[in-house]
Formats: sequence, structure tokens, C-alpha cells
Amino acid sequence: KNQVEQSPQSLIILEGKNCTLQCNYTVSPFSNLRWYKQDTGRGPVSLTIMTFSENTKSNGRYTATLDADTKQSSLHITASQLSDSASYICVVSSRGNKLVFGAGTILRVKS
Amino acid sequence: DVKVTQSSRYLVKRTGEKVFLECVQDMDHENMFWYRQDPGLGLRLIYFSYDVKMKEKGDIPEGYSVSREKKERFSLILESASTNQTSMYLCASSLGDWDGVGSPLHFGNGTRLTVT
Repeated sequence: KNQVEQSPQSLIILEGKNCTLQCNYTVSPFSNLRWYKQDTGRGPVSLTIMTFSENTKSNGRYTATLDADTKQSSLHITASQLSDSASYICVVSSRGNKLVFGAGTILRVKS
Repeated sequence: DVKVTQSSRYLVKRTGEKVFLECVQDMDHENMFWYRQDPGLGLRLIYFSYDVKMKEKGDIPEGYSVSREKKERFSLILESASTNQTSMYLCASSLGDWDGVGSPLHFGNGTRLTVT
């Protein structure tokens, strides 16, 4: 069964600290993996896309990694800011198939 | 920037009512989607459309229908609202392949529907 599991479910960190969010998937065949950020009261917004051949990709303070062999991805946030408080959703796309969404990780950054 | 607009942020309806959720996108995207989002669950696809007057069932279409009479507008219809349809409803659009390969989903800000 195609599944995407994210951990932790929620996380609280102090402003300025780093954190890493995890995404494990069993989707096959694999096409790509996206991370979305969803602010409270808003729709999700794409942060980055990882294709099969990519291991690491950065978008400002966000760095995504992909290990296609172990079917794991991570999203690392450096020097967190209050505005990073949001839900982060991992979405895996399978060729010729629909998207599979993770349940998300809720991040709260405290001052 | 792509803008996806959902007509209502909050709706409160009674059981048995017919409910219309409207979504409009302004970037000429071929594909449009309706999802519902519930705590602890991932987004679940209700219906999608890859062309005007075309519609396809998603994972949880029961109790819902859709209409796409114009390319920019995609409506979700709850024929007879029930309490288990209380949820956040998100509309999205995208270019290209319907499953979003190579093209991100652009979401509206959601409609929080409460059925009492």
C-alpha cells in the first residue's frame, strides 16, 4: 500500500535553533517528492521538489534531502524563525498515479 | 503569482442542506482538485478535473459531486450535508499532468465547513 509517514507529529523549538523533519514513504514507482509549508489558516505552498536523481536541494534556510534507496526524505530548517511555525507536508508522486500525502509535522517556533 | 480563491472561509450548514463550495483560479491551469483536510490525516482527494466538463473521482467521492463549466471555476457540491462532512476543504490547481509531476499544486486558503 502506498503510504507516506512523517515524524515527529509535532515539534517545539526555540527561535534560532535548527530542526529536521522526517518523511518515509512506500510509494512505488517513485516519481518525485515535494515538501509543502502550510501556515495556519492558509493553503499549503510548495517549498521544494526532489526527483529520483537528487540527493540534496536548498531553498534559503530550508534544505531537503532524499535517499531513494531507503525511501526517506528530510527537511532541515536552519536558524529557525517565528515565521517558520507551520505544518510541513511531505507529498510523494508516483508515475501515472495520484499524489500520496503525509499527515504533516506541526512545527512551533518559540521566542 | 497563481491565485486560487475559495469563496468562503467559514460556512455553517445544517444536516441535509445542499452545500456549494466555489473555487476560482486565475492562471489558466488545466487541472483542478478538491481535497479535504482533517487533523491527523493527510489531505484526501475528493474529485479532480483535467479539463472543462471533465471530472474524475478521487479517494473519497461519496456524498460529493463537482461541476466544472468553465476552465477557471471548479465547484464542490455536498448533495445532503452530514456531520461527518465537517472538515477543511481545500481547492488546488496545477499545470501539466493531473498528478502534478513537474508542476506544484497551488492551493486556495480553504473553506472550514461545519455541519450541525
